[in-house]
Amino acid sequence: GAGVSQSPSNKVTEKGKDVELRCDPISGHTALYWYRQSLGQGLEFLIYFQGNSAPDKSGLPSDRFSAERTGGSVSTLTIQRTQQEDSAVYLCASSLVLRGAVYNEQFFGPGTRLTVL
Amino acid sequence: GQNIDQPTEMTATEGAIVQINCTYQTSGFNGLFWYQQHAGEAPTFLSYNVLDGLEEKGRFSSFLSRSKGYSYLLLKELQMKDSASYLCAVDLTGANNLFFGTGTRLTVIP
Repeated sequence: GAGVSQSPSNKVTEKGKDVELRCDPISGHTALYWYRQSLGQGLEFLIYFQGNSAPDKSGLPSDRFSAERTGGSVSTLTIQRTQQEDSAVYLCASSLVLRGAVYNEQFFGPGTRLTVL
Repeated sequence: GQNIDQPTEMTATEGAIVQINCTYQTSGFNGLFWYQQHAGEAPTFLSYNVLDGLEEKGRFSSFLSRSKGYSYLLLKELQMKDSASYLCAVDLTGANNLFFGTGTRLTVIP
């Protein structure tokens, strides 16, 4: 079956512009996560959705970052007034949260490589 | 704050065994994950530990000691395709918002 997909795969933008990154999770997965991976750094948690609500926004680095999820499916991560330090690979993951499960495996998409000039 | 330490790079020979260590100091703990990430690709799940002890899955095993804040990933019968980064991550709250280490880049040589 289809995995997690993200678009665009690459995005080059100028400092100060807004960008939107899209994530299509695996069909039926109720949980969706956004991470950021900078060069030489580990994955940095940004935000988590359960259904359409985001119980944990603690990882968003600034108020320039926002995310939404509609219909319990597609999510968009928006970065306003981009800065050079926003350059990174943005990864999305989804999981099927099962009641009583010991753990919920996250399935990652291929990421969007964002370059801010 | 949260902290996970892993060696940055390791090199091992094809057919050998390698152990990748991970130590963590986190405010919460609801399990520890290991992910594999080939260059330019998405991370893929390898293992999960929440109880102390060893979990074996084919050529890969993962160990956890909660009292020591320590885990390791053991790879046996190394193959060239095992060259990748190996990411240690802690589930801080049980909601699966994972805190990741910076990863260990493993290079397998002939």
